[in-house]
Amino acid sequence: AQSVTQLDSHVSVSEGTPVLLRCNYSSSYSPSLFWYVQHPNKGLQLLLKYTSAATLVKGINGFEAEFKKSETSFHLTKPSAHMSDAAEYFCVVIPSSNTGKLIFGQGTTLQVKP
Amino acid sequence: EPEVTQTPSHQVTQMGQEVILRCVPISNHLYFYWYRQILGQKVEFLVSFYNNEISEKSEIFDDQFSVERPDGSNFTLKIRSTKLEDSAMYFCASKRGTGAYEQYFGPGTRLTVT
Repeated sequence: AQSVTQLDSHVSVSEGTPVLLRCNYSSSYSPSLFWYVQHPNKGLQLLLKYTSAATLVKGINGFEAEFKKSETSFHLTKPSAHMSDAAEYFCVVIPSSNTGKLIFGQGTTLQVKP
Repeated sequence: EPEVTQTPSHQVTQMGQEVILRCVPISNHLYFYWYRQILGQKVEFLVSFYNNEISEKSEIFDDQFSVERPDGSNFTLKIRSTKLEDSAMYFCASKRGTGAYEQYFGPGTRLTVT
């Protein structure tokens, strides 16, 4: 069965420093992987997606993620954190069903300190 | 930009009561979903809906739950007899079509069962 594990429940960085949110996946085939972000009182918004094209994926707001099959990882990075990046981040995988249901990781809360 | 809306934002109900959570998906989307997130836990898939029928449901989605698209714009989740453990944030999502990956999420309805 497909699953994702987010290795940190809470990450705290200072504004202007790099962000690293870690995600490992488990899948018996090449998965489709996503990062979603949720700001307080807002819906979940797609940051970026990997669907077996380029392994380095660029998303919105300066975020990137790299698919590493050898490490079964899909970590989210950003070179320089902004206060507005403070939110909950979810690593997500689509299993093989055609309905496209999403399987979520536990979520990582990103805190950005001034 | 079109968005998914959900009403109400917060619903408080007594155990054993029926509740209906409402969603208006993006108008040209064909796939619809409900997810829930119990406080402190993962976002979990409940059900997917396509072509006026359920296409997939999770073990959580038992006989107490039902979904409906009554009028071509609304997409509802009904819980017939609420239990304390149904307290959660419920998210509606929609997707354009089979080849699309991105699901667009609403802001959620917080259901509190007392």
